[in-house]
Amino acid sequence: GEDVEQSLFLSVREGDSSVINCTYTDSSSTYLYWYKQEPGAGLQLLTYIFSNMDMKQDQRLTVLLNKKDKHLSLRIADTQTGDSAIYFCAESIYGGYNKLIFGAGTRLAVHP
Amino acid sequence: EPEVTQTPSHQVTQMGQEVILRCVPISNHLYFYWYRQILGQKVEFLVSFYNNEISEKSEIFDDQFSVERPDGSNFTLKIRSTKLEDSAMYFCASSESSSGDSYEQYFGPGTRLTVT
Repeated sequence: GEDVEQSLFLSVREGDSSVINCTYTDSSSTYLYWYKQEPGAGLQLLTYIFSNMDMKQDQRLTVLLNKKDKHLSLRIADTQTGDSAIYFCAESIYGGYNKLIFGAGTRLAVHP
Repeated sequence: EPEVTQTPSHQVTQMGQEVILRCVPISNHLYFYWYRQILGQKVEFLVSFYNNEISEKSEIFDDQFSVERPDGSNFTLKIRSTKLEDSAMYFCASSESSSGDSYEQYFGPGTRLTVT
């Protein structure tokens, strides 16, 4: 079945790197996404990776994909207080007209 | 920068009433979606829509739900007879395509529906 799992909470010090992890079950996933949700706001697309890639870097964000273990991670370098939010991992399923299956979200708290 | 918009931001309705949630997708996008997020739970897929018809729907999207693209810009979700358990944040999303380089799916800010 389709399922995406994430740890629920992560606390980091400002300036450190944050690593948010995600596992998924469906081997036919085509794209894997990271979305950010700030309090009271919608879902902001941060980045995504195609399932035949291992890594994607976009400024402070690095996405790593281990397809064998069905494990996805998002690394945020030099984490700032403005990065405090909930981060959602999502997968799209081949042939599923790109419906997204979301994880429960990881709440990132950045402290001084 | 183009964005998905949704109205209203908050809708309060009584159980059994009909509600229509409205969305304006990004103008050159062809695929449209509705998701919902019950407080404290995962974001759940409801329905996808392409070429004026539903392309996929979830088990949640039963006969009480319908979608429509009444004109060239709006995309609506109607709930015919709301139940308490329909209370949630409803997100509209759109994407340019479902293949190639246009897999990015952009979300609106959401409509918070409260059923009393």
